[in-house]
Amino acid sequence: KAGVTQTPRYLIKTRGQQVTLSCSPISGHRSVSWYQQTPGQGLQFLFEYFSETQRNKGNFPGRFSGRQFSNSRSEMNVSTLELGDSALYLCASSLILANPYNEQFFGPGTRLTVL
Amino acid sequence: EDQVTQSPEALRLQEGESSSLNCSYTVSGLRGLFWYRQDPGKGPEFLFTLYSAGEEKEKERLKATLTKKESFLHITAPKPEDSATYLCAVRYSGAGSYQLTFGKGTKLSVIP
Repeated sequence: KAGVTQTPRYLIKTRGQQVTLSCSPISGHRSVSWYQQTPGQGLQFLFEYFSETQRNKGNFPGRFSGRQFSNSRSEMNVSTLELGDSALYLCASSLILANPYNEQFFGPGTRLTVL
Repeated sequence: EDQVTQSPEALRLQEGESSSLNCSYTVSGLRGLFWYRQDPGKGPEFLFTLYSAGEEKEKERLKATLTKKESFLHITAPKPEDSATYLCAVRYSGAGSYQLTFGKGTKLSVIP
């Protein structure tokens, strides 16, 4: 069974630009979560999607947004990039959202560098 | 105040030297405590889920235990391939929240 896939794996942007990252969950998984990982803050929750609806959002500015499609694939968008947005962006999928005991399985991440 | 604290931040062990990593949490309404392993440049790899105090799970040289306020990841006779950052995360009830809240991790180095 294929794992969580994320594209692109690496991305370099300049301040003020916007970026879109993509995530394909494990087949059959319907919940997708996004996390930002930086050396200083560690892994921080961005948002979570289930059935094409955002169910939960972390403490990030409105420049960070996302969506989920009917096939459970998800995208996240960051507008007006800042230097501090440089990070590893991780996507994780779960079987369903309603069961809080479901494990989340992570993709390899997208390494975003903002110059 | 951090809700999940891991210690130590870094740990160097000789091959075969057993030790434990600690994860303490302050959240209420724990719905699960999760251990992950992360290698450089990769996403976290799921290891264990623990749900209630007293629960234990094992996988190869790793054993995870849970109490009401902390979890331990015991590594028995580690090998160099066990070198990685070990992450602890909790899921807890609160405003319908199901996201994982992570600690900063323990970077383990096992020296041959």
